[in-house]
Amino acid sequence: EPEVTQTPSHQVTQMGQEVILRCVPISNHLYFYWYRQILGQKVEFLVSFYNNEISEKSEIFDDQFSVERPDGSNFTLKIRSTKLEDSAMYFCASIGLGMSFYNEQFFGPGTRLTVL
Amino acid sequence: ELKVEQNPLFLSMQEGKNYTIYCNYSTTSDRLYWYRQDPGKSLESLFVLLSNGAVKQEGRLMASLDTKARLSTLHITAAVHDLSATYFCAVDMNRDDKIIFGKGTRLHILP
Repeated sequence: EPEVTQTPSHQVTQMGQEVILRCVPISNHLYFYWYRQILGQKVEFLVSFYNNEISEKSEIFDDQFSVERPDGSNFTLKIRSTKLEDSAMYFCASIGLGMSFYNEQFFGPGTRLTVL
Repeated sequence: ELKVEQNPLFLSMQEGKNYTIYCNYSTTSDRLYWYRQDPGKSLESLFVLLSNGAVKQEGRLMASLDTKARLSTLHITAAVHDLSATYFCAVDMNRDDKIIFGKGTRLHILP
């Protein structure tokens, strides 16, 4: 069964460093999302991406964040200068939008980012 | 702004008992999701409810949706320890829209 994959599973970085989180969505999917979950809290929307541009972004997604689909398969989230409060689990999701009304976002396994 | 509220946020219950988790949302939507999350793990999709009156069951879990009341319930029947996890309900407005999550219900089932 197709699945969304994410790498790395765990990333540890120093405050102020840049990190890139990688996702490979399901191959025929068209819409891509990043969510984050601070430990013990709810899952929060960061950004959606369609047709090589951002569709919507949340207040969390400030200038330190960027997304890219560099090669038609990977979908990346970059944090330019990490802060302690960026420590969280980051989930990638994708959706295919076929002919059926029933379209569910498929979530990846997540990348746990720890900023020291 | 779409908001999703769950209650209770914490639930400790004995094996064999029944209980219900409630999910209210603030804006009309016909798409509601229930997810399970084990500690440190990803989100496991349990149910997708797409219409008013929808009811779905899987094992000891049953989910229902009342779009007029903007309420969904997740009912647990004869709980077993393996059901211990955090359960999230979530809603989106359109099929390509972001998903808004509730805060989650942390369920602990005592043997």
